[in-house]
Amino acid sequence: DAKTTQPPSMDCAEGRAANLPCNHSTISGNEYVYWYRQIHSQGPQYIIHGLKNNETNEMASLIITEDRKSSTLILPHATLRDTAVYYCIVRVTGGGNKLTFGTGTQLKVEL
Amino acid sequence: DAGITQSPRHKVTETGTPVTLRCHQTENHRYMYWYRQDPGHGLRLIHYSYGVKDTDKGEVSDGYSVSRSKTEDFLLTLESATSSQTSVYFCAISESLLSSYEQYFGPGTRLTVT
Repeated sequence: DAKTTQPPSMDCAEGRAANLPCNHSTISGNEYVYWYRQIHSQGPQYIIHGLKNNETNEMASLIITEDRKSSTLILPHATLRDTAVYYCIVRVTGGGNKLTFGTGTQLKVEL
Repeated sequence: DAGITQSPRHKVTETGTPVTLRCHQTENHRYMYWYRQDPGHGLRLIHYSYGVKDTDKGEVSDGYSVSRSKTEDFLLTLESATSSQTSVYFCAISESLLSSYEQYFGPGTRLTVT
């Protein structure tokens, strides 16, 4: 699986958009970009995924650059409950389809 | 939230004793996974199952075995627990092995081997 690079931590004011970047410069054509988050020792929670088009769901938006070498997860109106570690993962079918979690970005949403 | 439960949620055991962790799902998903999470390592895949009685090894399978006799249950067994197996264990489920399908995780089991 392609390696991802994320900043170790970010802060965001409540009510503002949180933009979490991820670099995956070695991504190949059949690898999806996934975002999960983990709130204080709970199980990881799926947020969103995409291949090459931008995606939006009720939780977030995913913006993937045209060359697919980086992406941004956008939480449009961050709340205190969005404080968590956010993981960007690129994933290809095969090998059990495992998810390889790195160290992620610790997002802290403050008043 | 996906219907995934894990039991027990916490366990303390002694070195050399056998331990079995249970993952139960109510989603009828075909694929189930066991991961462990340790500080500095993120989550690592132990074993996974692609159907009843069909399992395969992940990247850290030594010292672990699994069984799946029913679609809804996936058991992880430590035959003889060691201190290096102290960890948080997460079960996950998925409808498909295709990379376009997300995995859903259970709440985790915190295991301490003394």
